[in-house]
Amino acid sequence: ILNVEQSPQSLHVQEGDSTNFTCSFPSSNFYALHWYRWETAKSPEALFVMTLNGDEKKKGRISATLNTKEGYSYLYIKGSQPEDSATYLCAFSNDYKLSFGAGTTVTVRA
Amino acid sequence: EAGVTQSPTHLIKTRGQQATLRCSPISGHTSVYWYQQALGLGLQFLLWYDEGEERNRGNFPPRFSGRQFPNYSSELNVNALELEDSALYLCASRARSLETQYFGPGTRLLVL
Repeated sequence: ILNVEQSPQSLHVQEGDSTNFTCSFPSSNFYALHWYRWETAKSPEALFVMTLNGDEKKKGRISATLNTKEGYSYLYIKGSQPEDSATYLCAFSNDYKLSFGAGTTVTVRA
Repeated sequence: EAGVTQSPTHLIKTRGQQATLRCSPISGHTSVYWYQQALGLGLQFLLWYDEGEERNRGNFPPRFSGRQFPNYSSELNVNALELEDSALYLCASRARSLETQYFGPGTRLLVL
């Protein structure tokens, strides 16, 4: 069982503010790190997959960084909007199967 | 392009019965994965099928099984249902040699 941890479990952010949260994962036998956004009653949406130490990916106002040596990834949301409210999951990829963290639930207050 | 589809969306069974869940992958994807999210828990890997073969399975009992058909669609079968099998079951598909898994909307199974 691979221990993938996300913190905080939940956070509230004011509309327009920026925020970030963490995913930690085993640094040995690293293959890839995935981020997903999961809105209620919808399918988890793939945001990023990162494989190289130092990788930075960006999609609109959302970006992510990866540190494979110390085993962590940050997800950043710049200028949060109500539509950013969702649970953000990270997943460690090993042998093509995903081990998920419990998620960070973001609530953006208007 | 159509995404991953799953059926049914909801399923109610009683203890001891069998449940069959279905998944159609994105066209061109050859791998199908099944995950379980039980109440209060995170997504847990169940099974991986690729090119019709079971490639890997998670820490679940043998009464969880499945298959992949020649058109790459997949079924998950859960025999001898127990109350704790009540969960959301997600299917995901992946294209060969690519990393990203794309998820369907899930089947919510309730065992009474």
